[in-house]
Amino acid sequence: GAVVSQHPSRVICKSGTSVKIECRSLDFQATTMFWYRQFPKQSLMLMATSNEGSKATYEQGVEKDKFLINHASLTLSTLTVTSAHPEDSSFYICRAPVPAGGAEAQYFGPGTRLLVL
Amino acid sequence: AQSVTQLGSHVSVSEGALVLLRCNYSSSVPPYLFWYVQYPNQGLQLLLKYTSAATLVKGINGFEAEFKKSETSFHLTKPSAHMSDAAEYFCAVSEGTSYDKVIFGPGTSLSVIP
Repeated sequence: GAVVSQHPSRVICKSGTSVKIECRSLDFQATTMFWYRQFPKQSLMLMATSNEGSKATYEQGVEKDKFLINHASLTLSTLTVTSAHPEDSSFYICRAPVPAGGAEAQYFGPGTRLLVL
Repeated sequence: AQSVTQLGSHVSVSEGALVLLRCNYSSSVPPYLFWYVQYPNQGLQLLLKYTSAATLVKGINGFEAEFKKSETSFHLTKPSAHMSDAAEYFCAVSEGTSYDKVIFGPGTSLSVIP
């Protein structure tokens, strides 16, 4: 079946640094990918929709200059947390829909846990 | 706009007892509904999905859910709880295609008491 990977799975960084998280669709092309954030003991909140070849669409309240999204190819989307602060510590999960699939044809990555010290 | 509510942020049941996790949704179009499970420090695993076929949906690990349009509900049940069922459960709603947004409910933490 379709697989979505994320790298790294876990990252610890110092406050003020930037962190890049990759989301890859391994055996299908994904023109669209979705990025979610999950704070401890909370639900997943949609941050943005990543579109190959065009700008990402951000949800209300998400700072686009802080969370840079680049959909570099049909199999790769990256989320860069710029100038990370401790409040950015979270679990970041991507989702990729399978082309021509129904609503159920969607796959989540395993997530990236970010800890900002 | 779509939304999902889950009644009860925490549910505790005895091992072998019925599990009932509640989910109600709001959608302007016929929805697609999902239940996901998340174990500690792990990603999401799809338990089951409703995509406008049968209203009673069977999923993995003995879970099932029934879509009730009149009640706008999609409650998750399992006849007999196992210790391994202890996890966080999320109900989610989407519209139409896999390219549409998936909106998650707040989640319900299930504890199973020996």
